[in-house]
Amino acid sequence: GAVVSQHPSRVICKSGTSVKIECRSLDFQATTMFWYRQFPKQSLMLMATSNEGSKATYEQGVEKDKFLINHASLTLSTLTVTSAHPEDSSFYICSASWTILQETQYFGPGTRLLVL
Amino acid sequence: KNEVEQSPQNLTAQEGEFITINCSYSVGISALHWLQQHPGGGIVSLFMLSSGKKKHGRLIATINIQEKHSSLHITASHPRDSAVYICAVRALDSNYQLIWGAGTKLIIKP
Repeated sequence: GAVVSQHPSRVICKSGTSVKIECRSLDFQATTMFWYRQFPKQSLMLMATSNEGSKATYEQGVEKDKFLINHASLTLSTLTVTSAHPEDSSFYICSASWTILQETQYFGPGTRLLVL
Repeated sequence: KNEVEQSPQNLTAQEGEFITINCSYSVGISALHWLQQHPGGGIVSLFMLSSGKKKHGRLIATINIQEKHSSLHITASHPRDSAVYICAVRALDSNYQLIWGAGTKLIIKP
């Protein structure tokens, strides 16, 4: 099946710094990518949907200036957590679909962020 | 009431047992996903269903669209099957977003 990778898999950073997480589709062109966040013992929460070449659509309550999403190519989307705070510590997961009409989403392995 | 309900929330079984995890939903859907999340957090997509039944190895997933219900079965369960199993649906008017169940934590004891 299709493969989606994320980098880094784990990151620890100091409060106030920015962290970039990459999501790559390795063997297909991802027209649409989704970014999720998961708090401990909770289900995934959709943060935003991004389509290649256009601005991301953020879910209600998600700060677009804090969580910058760039989907500059059909194989790469990035999530940048700006001025990270300890409450941003979470598990971030991306998924990708190859056409806007395609229902299949392929999930990345996730990135665990710890902000000290 | 959540739009996607999973049962049981927790399940502990002995190695070799037949496992069933259920997912009920209250909205019209275009697809249903079963996902597996291991303790480290990584998510593996197991199945995507829109009708009928799918099988992959020891895993079987079924869906009944009329009854708005899906089941995930594991035959000859093994300790390595221990994980959280998550059901997620794509609602017909969801703009491609998934609505997530709370997950079922499965522990298989040797």
